Amino acid sequence: DADVTQTPRNRITKTGKRIMLECSQTKGHDRMYWYRQDPGLGLRLIYYSFDVKDINKGEISDGYSVSRQAQAKFSLSLESAIPNQTALYFCATSDLAGLNEQFFGPGTRLTVL
Amino acid sequence: ILNVEQSPQSLHVQEGDSTNFTCSFPSSNFYALHWYRWETAKSPEALFVMTLNGDEKKKGRISATLNTKEGYSYLYIKGSQPEDSATYLCAFSGNEKLTFGTGTRLTIIP
Repeated sequence: DADVTQTPRNRITKTGKRIMLECSQTKGHDRMYWYRQDPGLGLRLIYYSFDVKDINKGEISDGYSVSRQAQAKFSLSLESAIPNQTALYFCATSDLAGLNEQFFGPGTRLTVL
Repeated sequence: ILNVEQSPQSLHVQEGDSTNFTCSFPSSNFYALHWYRWETAKSPEALFVMTLNGDEKKKGRISATLNTKEGYSYLYIKGSQPEDSATYLCAFSGNEKLTFGTGTRLTIIP
């Protein structure tokens, strides 16, 4: 079984809809991250969390929110999706003891029409 | 916003040839430098995490070096094989988070 899972894997939605992307991990890591990938721009950090009660904004948090419901779960929400949020979204986990080596989920391809 | 730059953006290499590419990063507030390999339709996977100036890491035919004083790292691939085709990402690590470069897309020509 995969250590970091994401659901859904693919999603097509319409402008203005609310959508939630889920991430779960079985690695026992405290740190979890959400990134988006756009062609030519690399991976950009949206939000990250070091603990159930800890939420931190990343480089591009506008238009997104997150929830860390448990150590193993970190969800990303788009309250009102817009077309320029069309991207590939990755969840990742890390352990400080491993110098923050990131373990990535399989990705969610989101299309906003 | 930290500036992590990788060059070249893309590279085509004949099978069997060796190649290398560069990652440059800020030399201040350095914690670690990461290299990831990202195959098409898969997730990025860590190759190396390096922390010390002068560090050299090796995994099979792939190796990396680190110069934290001048802010650069090289990734080398010896005797390229078709399975080496991927995007190679470097990431500068502060204590809390990573800042990724845009990657070098490597294509091996059989």
